[in-house]
Amino acid sequence: DTEVTQTPKHLVMGMTNKKSLKCEQHMGHRAMYWYKQKAKKPPELMFVYSYEKLSINESVPSRFSPECPNSSLLNLHLHALQPEDSALYLCASSQGPPTVSSYNSPLHFGNGTRLTVT
Amino acid sequence: AQSVTQPDIHITVSEGASLELRCNYSYGATPYLFWYVQSPGQGLQLLLKYFSGDTLVQGIKGFEAEFKRSQSSFNLRKPSVHWSDAAEYFCAVGVGTGNQFYFGTGTSLTVIP
Repeated sequence: DTEVTQTPKHLVMGMTNKKSLKCEQHMGHRAMYWYKQKAKKPPELMFVYSYEKLSINESVPSRFSPECPNSSLLNLHLHALQPEDSALYLCASSQGPPTVSSYNSPLHFGNGTRLTVT
Repeated sequence: AQSVTQPDIHITVSEGASLELRCNYSYGATPYLFWYVQSPGQGLQLLLKYFSGDTLVQGIKGFEAEFKRSQSSFNLRKPSVHWSDAAEYFCAVGVGTGNQFYFGTGTSLTVIP
């Protein structure tokens, strides 16, 4: 069982809808991530939160809006998405601040949310 | 710019045979290297990691990997593959000031009985 929980597992939404993806971890990790994974492709980094502050935004379109309400929760708010945004959205967490030493703590991934935009 | 290359898109091996998955990286400094595995419909799970020291690292599920600086490689090996090892395998490099991981394109492993 994964220690990072993502809900929902599947989501179908229209291009005019607003929806949110949720991620939760109770390992005391202080860094949380959103990755996007298209079929047969590697995960691509979208956002990194460190100590509840956004530390990395990989030039993600504004129709994706992350939020970190507290150290255990990470949300991804979706609005006016396009069909090409359909993908598996993976949440991950790791311990520690964004320093080189943080690589001693690996990423812990959730099982993802399979998003389909119609 | 940093990059990770996995030359083999797909590999098929017989159960009980040995396995080697290739990974080459391009990075100016000492890399932090990882192998992750992803089963269908699942998130990624860390198999092993290399930071420094002994260039042969042991991981979970009987996997090991060897860091070769001269070849810029970090190949994953397993002496005897099990049917449950069928999955997608990703090599990754940690870059920047931390918490930034970039993945290779992945190798899909099929295990035949």
